Amino acid sequence: NAGVTQTPKFRVLKTGQSMTLLCAQDMNHEYMYWYRQDPGMGLRLIHYSVGEGTTAKGEVPDGYNVSRLKKQNFLLGLESAAPSQTSVYFCASSYGLEGFTDTQYFGPGTRLTVL
Amino acid sequence: TQLLEQSPQFLSIQEGENLTVYCNSSSVFSSLQWYRQEPGEGPVLLVTVVTGGEVKKLKRLTFQFGDARKDSSLHITAAQPGDTGLYLCAGEGTYNTDKLIFGTGTRLQVFP
Repeated sequence: NAGVTQTPKFRVLKTGQSMTLLCAQDMNHEYMYWYRQDPGMGLRLIHYSVGEGTTAKGEVPDGYNVSRLKKQNFLLGLESAAPSQTSVYFCASSYGLEGFTDTQYFGPGTRLTVL
Repeated sequence: TQLLEQSPQFLSIQEGENLTVYCNSSSVFSSLQWYRQEPGEGPVLLVTVVTGGEVKKLKRLTFQFGDARKDSSLHITAAQPGDTGLYLCAGEGTYNTDKLIFGTGTRLQVFP
């Protein structure tokens, strides 16, 4: 039981490049989330999904896109990376039985640097 | 927009000392969670409090939800080096119930 896994763990991009971050969970969770963590700002929700085939915008969605084609996977895409997107990205998942207050299980994070 | 502010931002103490971390807002929250995050890892849920005035204990950690559900505190008794990490509070808003709002975090370092 791996829980929540994220790939890659580290990435360096040049401004304007694109990339996709992959999140996978093996707990059969309905809800999945993408957050970014910046110093002194806690975790901010980028996008989330309440089930396979559904996505919704969070607090800071601009510059990002997501897809949830399979229940176990949640992809975060950056179409044209900007230095402001330098951050640590966390994926999380939860059962969703109690909405968004269910225990969220987090992955280990992806550290992204945009030059 | 509902915000959660944590204080202090940084805390360095010696093993065996007691400490309290605060999570404050001007808004009411339906429930509040506390997470601990160790370096290089994702946050891990410690506790959820849902009732105003509620107190929960987890070994040496005591969590309290304010009577008005606008604030919370985490008290650690006899801190140990294993308590080192980033402590985050997160609340379910009464207005924006489609997400958790995370606090700014308190980074704790406990020296042996």
